Amino acid sequence: GQQVMQIPQYQHVQEGEDFTTYCNSSTTLSNIQWYKQRPGGHPVFLIQLVKSGEVKKQKRLTFQFGEAKKNSSLHITATQTTDVGTYFCAGLRNQGGKLIFGQGTELSVKP
Amino acid sequence: DAGVIQSPRHEVTEMGQEVTLRCKPISGHNSLFWYRQTMMRGLELLIYFNNNVPIDDSGMPEDRFSAKMPNASFSTLKIQPSEPRDSAVYFCASNLRGGMSEKLFFGSGTQLSVL
Repeated sequence: GQQVMQIPQYQHVQEGEDFTTYCNSSTTLSNIQWYKQRPGGHPVFLIQLVKSGEVKKQKRLTFQFGEAKKNSSLHITATQTTDVGTYFCAGLRNQGGKLIFGQGTELSVKP
Repeated sequence: DAGVIQSPRHEVTEMGQEVTLRCKPISGHNSLFWYRQTMMRGLELLIYFNNNVPIDDSGMPEDRFSAKMPNASFSTLKIQPSEPRDSAVYFCASNLRGGMSEKLFFGSGTQLSVL
């Protein structure tokens, strides 16, 4: 079945360092979404990418969708302690299909 | 907007007991999803409804799990009988299907512990 793989599983950084998490799908995706879950919280939607090669920015966060629409990445520049949490990608295979979540990357930031 | 409301927030029960989790989606949303989150398996989609009709229940672990959506504003996920391996955080989410963005709005979850 469709799988969405996400790496790394954990990332520990010093405050101010950059962070990147990668997401790969075994099949072409209609779109990909990114969520953030704070410790003890629930996933919160960050962004959706739809177009091949799309790049979107939210302040220090940069999201990319691959040309083949099978991979995506989230890059955080100059991490802050408020960035702590688990970042999930979620791929939609086709409109009306199931949203499949990656395993998530847990980010910890040392002040 | 109150968001997706789940109850209870925490449930501790003994093996063999029936457990019922409840969810109220955001008003106007036409799709509702039940996810289970564990350390080992991450976020798993159990079942989702569109316009109160179950569309895909292939993620439901086994016959001990059942879900209903009697109307647009309420859904339940029932486990009978419960087992220790059912211990997890169960999230309900809703969205408006067919729109430009099908982002999910998650509830706060129910932390279930089966002893």
